[in-house]
Amino acid sequence: GENVEQHPSTLSVQEGDSAVIKCTYSDSASNYFPWYKQELGKGPQLIIDIRSNVGEKKDQRIAVTLNKTAKHFSLHITETQPEDSAVYFCAASKGRDYKLSFGAGTTVTVRA
Amino acid sequence: DTGVSQNPRHKITKRGQNVTFRCDPISEHNRLYWYRQTLGQGPEFLTYFQNEAQLEKSRLLSDRFSAERPKGSFSTLEIQRTEQGDSAMYLCASSSPPVDEQFFGPGTRLTVL
Repeated sequence: GENVEQHPSTLSVQEGDSAVIKCTYSDSASNYFPWYKQELGKGPQLIIDIRSNVGEKKDQRIAVTLNKTAKHFSLHITETQPEDSAVYFCAASKGRDYKLSFGAGTTVTVRA
Repeated sequence: DTGVSQNPRHKITKRGQNVTFRCDPISEHNRLYWYRQTLGQGPEFLTYFQNEAQLEKSRLLSDRFSAERPKGSFSTLEIQRTEQGDSAMYLCASSSPPVDEQFFGPGTRLTVL
C-alpha cells in the first residue's frame, strides 16, 4: 500500500515568515496529492491539491510543488499569519474520489 | 448546516461494550468514507461506500467493525466488544462528482475505558 512520510512534525515560525512542509510517497501509481488543515476539534479541511500532470499550483499565500520522479511534494505558506496555526496533513491517492493515505501531520505555530 | 455531520461527537464506553456512530454526508454525495485518527497521527482509511455498496475495507477493519449505508444516504459504523486500542477519532467524509473533493465531518471521539 501507499506510505506517506511528512516532515517536520512541528514547525514554529515568526508571523510574516514562510513555512515549508515536505512529504514523500511510495506508490508510483498515486496521482492526486491534497493538503488538509485541521484545527482543534474539527475535521480536516482541504486547502489545496495538485494532480500529477502539474508541477506547481498556487492559491494566494499557499503553493504546492510536486516532483513525481523523486516522489515528493511540498506545501509552502508565505506571509504566515496567526490563523495559519494548525495541524497540516499531506495525503496521496490514486484519484480524488479514492481512499486517501495521510502523512502523520505537521503542527504549525505562528508566533506573533 | 449543509456540511457532513457526525453523531455523537463524543462517546465514552467501557471495554467490551458495543458502540455505534452515525454519519450524515452532504446531501446527494454518492461516496462516503470512514477514517480513524489516533492522537498525533494522520487519518487512516477504514472503508468507503458508493451509494449503498461498500467498495473497499481496510485490513484495519477487523471483524469487530461493521459499516453500513442501507439507503445510500447516512452511514453507521458499529464496533463490537470494544477494546482500549479502539480509542480514537472516527472521521467521516463524503464526495461526489464532478468536484470529488472529500469533505470531512467533525468526527466522533471514542474513549474506551
